[in-house]
Amino acid sequence: GNSVTQMEGPVTLSEEAFLTINCTYTATGYPSLFWYVQYPGEGLQLLLKATKADDKGSNKGFEATYRKETTSFHLEKGSVQVSDSAVYFCALIPGGGGNKLTFGTGTQLKVEL
Amino acid sequence: EAQVTQNPRYLITVTGKKLTVTCSQNMNHEYMSWYRQDPGLGLRQIYYSMNVEVTDKGDVPEGYKVSRKEKRNFPLILESPSPNQTSLYFCASSSDRIGGEWYGYTFGSGTRLTVV
Repeated sequence: GNSVTQMEGPVTLSEEAFLTINCTYTATGYPSLFWYVQYPGEGLQLLLKATKADDKGSNKGFEATYRKETTSFHLEKGSVQVSDSAVYFCALIPGGGGNKLTFGTGTQLKVEL
Repeated sequence: EAQVTQNPRYLITVTGKKLTVTCSQNMNHEYMSWYRQDPGLGLRQIYYSMNVEVTDKGDVPEGYKVSRKEKRNFPLILESPSPNQTSLYFCASSSDRIGGEWYGYTFGSGTRLTVV
């Protein structure tokens, strides 16, 4: 079946540090890949997505590249801010139809001054 | 404003007392889904619906019921809640793929349920 594996948190960084959150997946065919963000006390928001190999999704300074050869979709940001503190979820939807999102377990990011 | 609205936000109930969590979306989306979020487990799908009167089980459907009588509403029903259903619940909706591309789910703000 489909699955998503994320690095365990929490991840604690100083403001302006570089961020990487690793995500790898298992799926048949060509899934679409997503990063969602959950701020404290809120629901999930779509952060970025990529729908085919080598696509790069980007939003709010965050980027992730769909790597088919390594089945990965790592989230990166060059300079984090305190306001980026949240839980980040990697997710996939299988190719070929259907709308079921499969999530990773989430990675908590805490950014300190 | 396009949104998914869940109610209530917080609920404490006792074992065995039937409850319903409501979910409504104003985007005319075909797909709706319920997830539960538990520490260390991420989000797991409970039930989903592809359109009115079309529902199916997700990964963890035991102890839950849903209905989709109208396109905008997708209530989650716990007929006899138990403490292991204490969790954070999210409703989400999405349109069907457009040109083969999927544009993402919109999530509600969540319902924190405690069953004692």
